Amino acid sequence: EAEVAQSPRYKITEKSQAVAFWCDPISGHATLYWYRQILGQGPELLVQFQDESVVDDSQLPKDRFSAERLKGVDSTLKIQPAELGDSAMYLCASSLRNNEQFFGPGTRLTVL
Amino acid sequence: GNSVTQMEGPVTLSEEAFLTINCTYTATGYPSLFWYVQYPGEGLQLLLKATKADDKGSNKGFEATYRKETTSFHLEKGSVQVSDSAVYFCALNPTAGNTPLVFGKGTRLSVIA
Repeated sequence: EAEVAQSPRYKITEKSQAVAFWCDPISGHATLYWYRQILGQGPELLVQFQDESVVDDSQLPKDRFSAERLKGVDSTLKIQPAELGDSAMYLCASSLRNNEQFFGPGTRLTVL
Repeated sequence: GNSVTQMEGPVTLSEEAFLTINCTYTATGYPSLFWYVQYPGEGLQLLLKATKADDKGSNKGFEATYRKETTSFHLEKGSVQVSDSAVYFCALNPTAGNTPLVFGKGTRLSVIA
């Protein structure tokens, strides 16, 4: 069964450092989402791509976060510099034409 | 705006007990409704969904009915198992297309033998 892949699974960094997360969606899924899940909360959207274009990045803190999906397939989410409040689970999801989203295992970020 | 409210946990049940996790929503238009489950250290897995009023989603013994009149989508299971211990998220998609999900805060379920 096809799955969304994410790496790394865990990342520990010091504040002010740069971090990057990678996501490979299910083959053929044109829509890709990055969500952030703070401990004890539900996921919240950071950015949505349709192919290589950003559809919604209204909740992305653009002073420190960036996201790209250059060839419309895999995607990278970057934080520079990381802050203590960025500690969270970062989830990637993809979907085809209907509204069913498939989630990857997530990257758990700890900022010290 | 769109929002989801679900009962706060944690919920602790004995094995074979009946489970209900309440979920209500606020949405403009006609959303699709979902329940996702998250096991420790893992991502979210779709448990069940319903796309229109009066639809019943079901999977692995869990079920939920889309109630437009009460704007609810409560999750139920007749007999829980220890392996059902996880965090359960109710979510809505405001449209029929590829739009971001709006999640509740999650309800942690612990089932003890």
